[in-house]
Amino acid sequence: EPEVTQTPSHQVTQMGQEVILRCVPISNHLYFYWYRQILGQKVEFLVSFYNNEISEKSEIFDDQFSVERPDGSNFTLKIRSTKLEDSAMYFCASTLRGGNTGELFFGEGSRLTVL
Amino acid sequence: QKEVEQNSGPLSVPEGAIASLNCTYSDRGSQSFFWYRQYSGKSPELIMSIYSNGDKEDGRFTVQLNKASQYVSLLIRDSQPSDSATYLCAVSGAAGNKLTFGGGTRVLVKP
Repeated sequence: EPEVTQTPSHQVTQMGQEVILRCVPISNHLYFYWYRQILGQKVEFLVSFYNNEISEKSEIFDDQFSVERPDGSNFTLKIRSTKLEDSAMYFCASTLRGGNTGELFFGEGSRLTVL
Repeated sequence: QKEVEQNSGPLSVPEGAIASLNCTYSDRGSQSFFWYRQYSGKSPELIMSIYSNGDKEDGRFTVQLNKASQYVSLLIRDSQPSDSATYLCAVSGAAGNKLTFGGGTRVLVKP
């Protein structure tokens, strides 16, 4: 069964360092997302991406964050200068259909620990 | 602020019983409703979706939606120890797929 894959599964970094989290969405999906979940808290929307541009972003997704689809398969989330509060599980998700009927499929997540 | 509210639990049910989970949402414009299951340290896994008022059944799972009351529920029949997880209610609006999640209800099924 097709799945969303994410790398790395766990990354430990020092505060102020840049981090890139990578995702390979399901191959025929068109809409891509990043969510995060701080330990013990809700899953929170960060950003949605369609047709090579951001379609929506949350207040969390400030200038320190960026997303890119550098080729036909990868979808990346970059955090330019990590803070302690960026420590969380980051989930990539994708869906085939837009609007409000698309069911999101999540990757296994990348755990980011900022020291 | 669009909110999705769930009782955090834990909801403890004996094996073979019915687990009943509830979710309320604040945005009347919400169009699509989902239940995800999340095991500890893992990603959300879609188990049910519903788009119109009424009930929808799939195997041991039944989801009920009442838009007038802004309420969506999940029933798990014949609960199994493997159903022990956190169940996340998620809602999306008219504009797109962006999901707003509730905090989840932790379910413990005891053998």
